[in-house]
Amino acid sequence: QMQLQESGPGLVKPSETLSLTCTVSGASISGNNYDWGWIRQPPGKGLEWIANIYNSGYTYYNPSLKSRVTMSVDTSNNQFSLKLMSVTAADTAVFYCARRNPRVGGFDSWGQGTLVTVSS
Amino acid sequence: EIVLTQSPGTLSLSPGERATLSCRASQSVSNNYLVWYQQKPGQAPRLLIFGASRRATGIPDRFSGSGSGTDFTLTISRLEPEDFAVYYCQQYGTSAFTFGPGTKVDIK
Repeated sequence: QMQLQESGPGLVKPSETLSLTCTVSGASISGNNYDWGWIRQPPGKGLEWIANIYNSGYTYYNPSLKSRVTMSVDTSNNQFSLKLMSVTAADTAVFYCARRNPRVGGFDSWGQGTLVTVSS
Repeated sequence: EIVLTQSPGTLSLSPGERATLSCRASQSVSNNYLVWYQQKPGQAPRLLIFGASRRATGIPDRFSGSGSGTDFTLTISRLEPEDFAVYYCQQYGTSAFTFGPGTKVDIK
């Protein structure tokens, strides 16, 4: 059974870069049938899509975050990563990694999420 | 960017009742790439419905989706205790995803 697991610091200082990694187990990220994404959820609020990446490295980003976001993929370790630069308190959120299934147009498998707090 | 609006914000119902949730898009959603998720406190969202009306694997048949273009509906025919949660719609178009703000279904 496929699983996704987010990892990274739970606390980031304002103006610094938030870095998270998603490790996929039980399936190969190199398969051509899916792409991989990050979604965030501020405490008590709704979901916001951040970015997606294919195993080829092709990325697409939320236009509102594009200037601050970079995604990368490491097929040898079955991982993909997110960097969000110049963070502020407004970036405090639970960050989820997820698999997008093009057949359904949405995310069919999710990690458990990791809370990242931006604070000095 | 397509903006999704969900109504009502909160729906207070009793177990056994029927729940009707609305999702409206600011522009037509292409190929009915409209998806519904359920989220319970402390958990990741779970895919319920895709293609506006197709149930995801393992989703009970009391959940159904309908609609096209800009107006979509999620119906829960008879609420079970485990169905009280927040429901989000999401659309995919032109290499971008947007989520609605969610509808909370709580116990009356």
